[in-house]
Amino acid sequence: NAGVTQTPKFRVLKTGQSMTLLCAQDMNHEYMYWYRQDPGMGLRLIHYSVGEGTTAKGEVPDGYNVSRLKKQNFLLGLESAAPSQTSVYFCASSSPLQNYGYTFGSGTRLTVV
Amino acid sequence: QQPVQSPQAVILREGEDAVINCSSSKALYSVHWYRQKHGEAPVFLMILLKGGEQKGHEKISASFNEKKQQSSLYLTASQLSYSGTYFCGTDETSGSRLTFGEGTQLTVNP
Repeated sequence: NAGVTQTPKFRVLKTGQSMTLLCAQDMNHEYMYWYRQDPGMGLRLIHYSVGEGTTAKGEVPDGYNVSRLKKQNFLLGLESAAPSQTSVYFCASSSPLQNYGYTFGSGTRLTVV
Repeated sequence: QQPVQSPQAVILREGEDAVINCSSSKALYSVHWYRQKHGEAPVFLMILLKGGEQKGHEKISASFNEKKQQSSLYLTASQLSYSGTYFCGTDETSGSRLTFGEGTQLTVNP
């Protein structure tokens, strides 16, 4: 059982470039999330999804877009990367059957130069 | 609104106890606790759903005072493996998304 898999694990972008982070889960979880983690600021919610074909904004959505075309996948896109988006990005999934306890992916470390 | 965790950091010797607090300014449906080791993903410890509920996980337990909008995590007879950053995550609306505190860095020394 792989759980939650994030790709890539590391990436360096130049300012203005675009990229997509992929999150895949094999637990049949309904809910999926993208958080960013910065030193001293905990985890902040970017976007989330409560089911296939649905997405919603979290606390810090500006500069990001998401899509959930399939239940098992949640994609996070950066259209025009900025240095302020340098961070560690975590994907997570949860299910009401497990009281919404999160399972996190291993993270993507993104540096924008 | 982000919950407030205290203390921000704590250093223990192996075998000592610690308490980490999490407070919210809003009514809560549930509180989650996670532990993150350096360079790794956060790992789920436990969830508290009811006011006054107390749960345990090995020598780690937690309480949730719904009226005070507070939760506390208790680590007893700490082990070296308990070192890491502990986060509380709060949910105001019966499921779906968590707001995390800034974390409490716990260091257990021999």
